[in-house]
Amino acid sequence: DQQVKQNSPSLSVQEGRISILNCDYTNSMFDYFLWYKKYPAEGPTFLISISSIKDKNEDGRFTVFLNKSAKHLSLHIVPSQPGDSAVYFCAALGAGNNRKLIWGLGTSLAVNP
Amino acid sequence: GAGVSQTPSNKVTEKGKYVELRCDPISGHTALYWYRQSLGQGPEFLIYFQGTGAADDSGLPNDRFFAVRPEGSVSTLKIQRTERGDSAVYLCASSLSSTSTDTQYFGPGTRLTVL
Repeated sequence: DQQVKQNSPSLSVQEGRISILNCDYTNSMFDYFLWYKKYPAEGPTFLISISSIKDKNEDGRFTVFLNKSAKHLSLHIVPSQPGDSAVYFCAALGAGNNRKLIWGLGTSLAVNP
Repeated sequence: GAGVSQTPSNKVTEKGKYVELRCDPISGHTALYWYRQSLGQGPEFLIYFQGTGAADDSGLPNDRFFAVRPEGSVSTLKIQRTERGDSAVYLCASSLSSTSTDTQYFGPGTRLTVL
């Protein structure tokens, strides 16, 4: 049973426009959420994170929004660039000393020039 | 500085054989993690070390899988009597400490193929 769900396997956007990647979770005990980006034949690279006590975190072109009541988070990339083309994974951590990252299936983003 | 490194990058073995996968974490990182990623899936947690000890091995699928980190740095994931279902990319990550929000930095992975 997927506790972290990324329901869109792929997304295509034009360069310069906004990319919005969505993630839903079922476990209300998750209290920290992360987005990782993965290129082929490389390991995942950390992008941005958010604590459950916040509803927004911004880092340059990347912003993550968290809606706890809906158990939903989203990653916004603006403006999108061709180098952003990759697979994006949403991951979650439980409270306390739990260090297991629980991952979604990923969304493949293609940014077209 | 050097990131997490994993060797070999690719390993092809026959069903029933024993394999060892190695991970070199970022220098100074005390926490080390193993995940595996099957095709079309997200990474799946296997085991986490804090120093030399396994703090959480609840993700190891069965007793054919074992991991060690004898000196608190390099770790080896060992798989006995490999099965075709073990084919996956095995990812290693490290973090500075065991603080829950410390970022986990990943290596490039070892692609294991069991024929």
